[in-house]
Amino acid sequence: AQSVAQPEDQVNVAEGNPLTVKCTYSVSGNPYLFWYVQYPNRGLQFLLKYITGDNLVKGSYGFEAEFNKSQTSFHLKKPSALVSDSALYFCAVRGLFTTSGTYKYIFGTGTRLKVLA
Amino acid sequence: NAGVTQTPKFQVLKTGQSMTLQCAQDMNHEYMSWYRQDPGMGLRLIHYSVGAGITDQGEVPNGYNVSRSTTEDFPLRLLSAAPSQTSVYFCASSYSRDSNQPQHFGDGTRLSIL
Repeated sequence: AQSVAQPEDQVNVAEGNPLTVKCTYSVSGNPYLFWYVQYPNRGLQFLLKYITGDNLVKGSYGFEAEFNKSQTSFHLKKPSALVSDSALYFCAVRGLFTTSGTYKYIFGTGTRLKVLA
Repeated sequence: NAGVTQTPKFQVLKTGQSMTLQCAQDMNHEYMSWYRQDPGMGLRLIHYSVGAGITDQGEVPNGYNVSRSTTEDFPLRLLSAAPSQTSVYFCASSYSRDSNQPQHFGDGTRLSIL
């Protein structure tokens, strides 16, 4: 079965330090992977995606993610964290093909990032 | 740009009542979906649609109905509200049914069932 896991409920990091939010996946076939961010009382916003190509993917707000096929991981990273990066982060993966002719998305449970001033 | 618009933003219902959560997008997106967000459970897919007149069930469809009569609108109906349906509901859309397209989300409807 297709699945995605975010092993940390919360990550704390000091402002200016590098941050990593972890995501691992289990899929059959090539993975399509996404990161989204959710600020309080808002919907999810797309950050970046990996479909194919370079293992290091750059996205919005200075975030990047590293795809590692052997470890089945897609960790989100940022070299220098800002207090404004504090939010809930979701990893998502393409699920199984459906009879409607599309794929469903499967979301992780989310990781709350807290950047401390 | 309006994007994905959800109404209402907040709603309190009594058990057994019915209501419709509205979702509209102005991006001419083919794919639309409804999720519910519960603490510690991430987002779970309720129903989705790949175009007008086509809908399908997600992983938690019981107690919910949807229809897609136009490309723009994708309402979610609660037939007989239950306390277990207390949640935050998100509507999302993407350009096509291609799975490499990111989804655009509305700001959610916070629903409490008493």
